[in-house]
Amino acid sequence: AQSVTQPDIHITVSEGASLELRCNYSYGATPYLFWYVQSPGQGLQLLLKYFSGDTLVQGIKGFEAEFKRSQSSFNLRKPSVHWSDAAEYFCAVGPPFGGTASKLTFGTGTRLQVTL
Amino acid sequence: GAGVSQSPRYKVAKRGQDVALRCDPISGHVSLFWYQQALGQGPEFLTYFQNEAQLDKSGLPSDRFFAERPEGSVSTLKIQRTQQEDSAVYLCASSAGATSGNTIYFGEGSWLTVV
Repeated sequence: AQSVTQPDIHITVSEGASLELRCNYSYGATPYLFWYVQSPGQGLQLLLKYFSGDTLVQGIKGFEAEFKRSQSSFNLRKPSVHWSDAAEYFCAVGPPFGGTASKLTFGTGTRLQVTL
Repeated sequence: GAGVSQSPRYKVAKRGQDVALRCDPISGHVSLFWYQQALGQGPEFLTYFQNEAQLDKSGLPSDRFFAERPEGSVSTLKIQRTQQEDSAVYLCASSAGATSGNTIYFGEGSWLTVV
């Protein structure tokens, strides 16, 4: 069965510092990989997604993620964090490209706090 | 509408009461999903519709949970005889296509508290 592990429950960084959020997954094939962000009281917003091609994928708001097949990881990074980035971040996996749309499996999330 | 719309945004139900949560997906979106998000957890899949057909209901936790999408647009998630463990945010999502990889857009959720 597929699973997603986000080992960091809570991360605090200073504004302007770099950020890396970790995500490891377990899936039978190479799945679609996603990062979503959720602000308090809000729904989930897609930051970026990956299935194939360049293993470094760019997303919105200056975020990027790198897929490492050998490590089953899809870590999210941002070179310089802004106070508005404070939120909950979720990594998710979905069926491979071309499969029937179906459920996403989410990690438990990483809460990002940004200090000024 | 411009996004996925859910109502009510907040619902307090007494234990044993039935509740109905509504989802208006983005117009024309084929796929519709329901997720349950408990406090401090990631969303967990409940059910999936492709147009009016419910193709996957493997995540529904009990037979007290029922979802429908009779005309392939609006969907309703119904919870009968609510229990305290049903307290969660219920997220609806939709996507334009019927295959994986289509961007899934989430609504802001319906916050259910069972007292």
